[in-house]
Formats: sequence, C-alpha cells, structure tokens
Amino acid sequence: TQLLEQSPQFLSIQEGENLTVYCNSSSVFSSLQWYRQEPGEGPVLLVTVVTGGEVKKLKRLTFQFGDARKDSSLHITAAQPGDTGLYLCAGPTLRFGGSNYKLTFGKGTLLTVNP
Amino acid sequence: EPEVTQTPSHQVTQMGQEVILRCVPISNHLYFYWYRQILGQKVEFLVSFYNNEISEKSEIFDDQFSVERPDGSNFTLKIRSTKLEDSAMYFCASTGFPVAEQYFGPGTRLTVT
Repeated sequence: TQLLEQSPQFLSIQEGENLTVYCNSSSVFSSLQWYRQEPGEGPVLLVTVVTGGEVKKLKRLTFQFGDARKDSSLHITAAQPGDTGLYLCAGPTLRFGGSNYKLTFGKGTLLTVNP
Repeated sequence: EPEVTQTPSHQVTQMGQEVILRCVPISNHLYFYWYRQILGQKVEFLVSFYNNEISEKSEIFDDQFSVERPDGSNFTLKIRSTKLEDSAMYFCASTGFPVAEQYFGPGTRLTVT
C-alpha cells in the first residue's frame, strides 16, 4: 500500500508570512496532485507535477516534485486569509493491467492565515 | 468551466434504508470514481468505473454498494442497506486525459441515523 504523509498537520500563520508544507512517501509516484479543500466541499485540483525535480508556479504558490518522485512540497509566498484551507496531496496508482488510476490521499495540512 | 455536479448535497436516512447518490461527471470524461471522507479522516477510494464496468474497487466497496451509469450523463452510487458507519461525505470524480488528473464534485453529505 502506498502512503502519503503530509506535514505539518496544522499550520497557523499571520498574513504576509511565507510557508512550506510537505508531502512524503516511501514509494515512487508517476505524478502527484495537489488539491485544496474547503470545509464541506470537494477537493479542487491545484496542480499536477510529473517530472522529477519539476517546479510549477501558480501565482504565489510554488510546487516542487522531488528528484526521486517520492516527495513534493508546496510553498506559499506572502500568505493571505484567502489561502486558508486544507491542502491535500494525492498520488495515482494503477492496478496491474488496469486502465485508470485511483488516487491515494494524504491527511492534509490545515492552513489558517490570520489577518 | 465544466464541473462535476452531485445531488443531493445532504441526505439523511435511517439505518437499513437504501440511498442513491447521483453525479453528473464532466461531459467528455470517460473515467468515473467514487471516494468517501469520514469526518476528520482521509479521502478514501471506493470504486472506479470505465466502459460501463467497474475497473477497481476497494475493500470498503462490499456487496452493499453498487454503481451504475444509467444513461449518457449520470453516474450513481447505491448503498442498499445503510449502516451508521456509512455516514460520510461522498465525492464523485471524473477524468479525461491525463487520466491521473481527477476532478471532484462538491460532495454529498450522507448522515445515517
């Protein structure tokens, strides 16, 4: 079973601060997805990282995929209250002989940005 | 922008009753999924569906669960005899290509009393 560990579990910061959250596994993934989830809502896809060492930017969010494709990080610059939410990483696994993936999720990092 | 929709947003049912959760995936997607999230826990895979048949199912997806694509747009999850422990948020997801990028609906909160 492939597991994804996310850290920290909770993070509370002030508006304007920078932060990094992590997603780690002992398994290699073909890609990793980052989602953001608001309370009572579904996960919203932010980005997919595919290539080892890849860096993707989405405005103030920077996503990095580890060289060995076992870990990923999300860095937020100058956090704003609107960034508050649960950040989830998810890795796809493909059953042998299968044609579609299932996602394994981490528990998430609950980020609170205080004004 | 196309999105996955789910109905109802909240369903309350008594233990032992049947429920059907409905989803309309993104129109040109071919792969469909159900996940659930018990309060405070991880999002867990239940089942994947492609070409009108189940591709893979988890240990959670026992004989009480079934999925169907009754027409060209809807994708349903049926729980035949609900248990208290079935209380959770149920998310439908769909994907086109790349097949690993799944788009989730807003969820149905199922409460079994």
